[in-house]
Amino acid sequence: GAGVSQSPSNKVTEKGKDVELRCDPISGHTALYWYRQSLGQGLEFLIYFQGNSAPDKSGLPSDRFSAERTGGSVSTLTIQRTQQEDSAVYLCASSWRWGLTYEQYFGPGTRLTVT
Amino acid sequence: DQQVKQNSPSLSVQEGRISILNCDYTNSMFDYFLWYKKYPAEGPTFLISISSIKDKNEDGRFTVFLNKSAKHLSLHIVPSQPGDSAVYFCAAGEGGKLIFGQGTELSVKP
Repeated sequence: GAGVSQSPSNKVTEKGKDVELRCDPISGHTALYWYRQSLGQGLEFLIYFQGNSAPDKSGLPSDRFSAERTGGSVSTLTIQRTQQEDSAVYLCASSWRWGLTYEQYFGPGTRLTVT
Repeated sequence: DQQVKQNSPSLSVQEGRISILNCDYTNSMFDYFLWYKKYPAEGPTFLISISSIKDKNEDGRFTVFLNKSAKHLSLHIVPSQPGDSAVYFCAAGEGGKLIFGQGTELSVKP
């Protein structure tokens, strides 16, 4: 079956521009997560959605970052007024439901480069 | 403040030998631990996990050991194969969030 897909795979943008990154989770998965991996760093949690509950936004690094999940499926991560330090690989993951005994399935990521 | 640390950025092992990847954590509230494997240009894939109530979990060539008193976990791969060459991340969780280490790049040489 189809895995988690993300688009675009690569994005180059100028500093100060807004970008939108898209994630299509595995069908039926109710939990969706966003992470980012900066060069030489581990995966940094950003936000997660579980069903219709309010998302946990505690990992978002600034108010320039926001995310939404429409219809309990597709999610969009938006970065406003991008900065060079936003350059990273942004990874989306989904799982059957919230909780750690349910492994998370990752997409291939979107590599964002801010020039 | 890094709650999950993988202090070895890289490890090189001969094919057929044991690979041991280590991970330390600081938060005693973590109740589940996972290992993920990542190839270049791909997302991480789940490898093996362990609940905090256990001290060992085995799946084929992969075994994860948990030492709660030392706040340390390790992944053993026996025997190592060239296809195991990848970056390995440990992750620890409390509630819905996973906290990842920085990763260890394993190279298995034929």
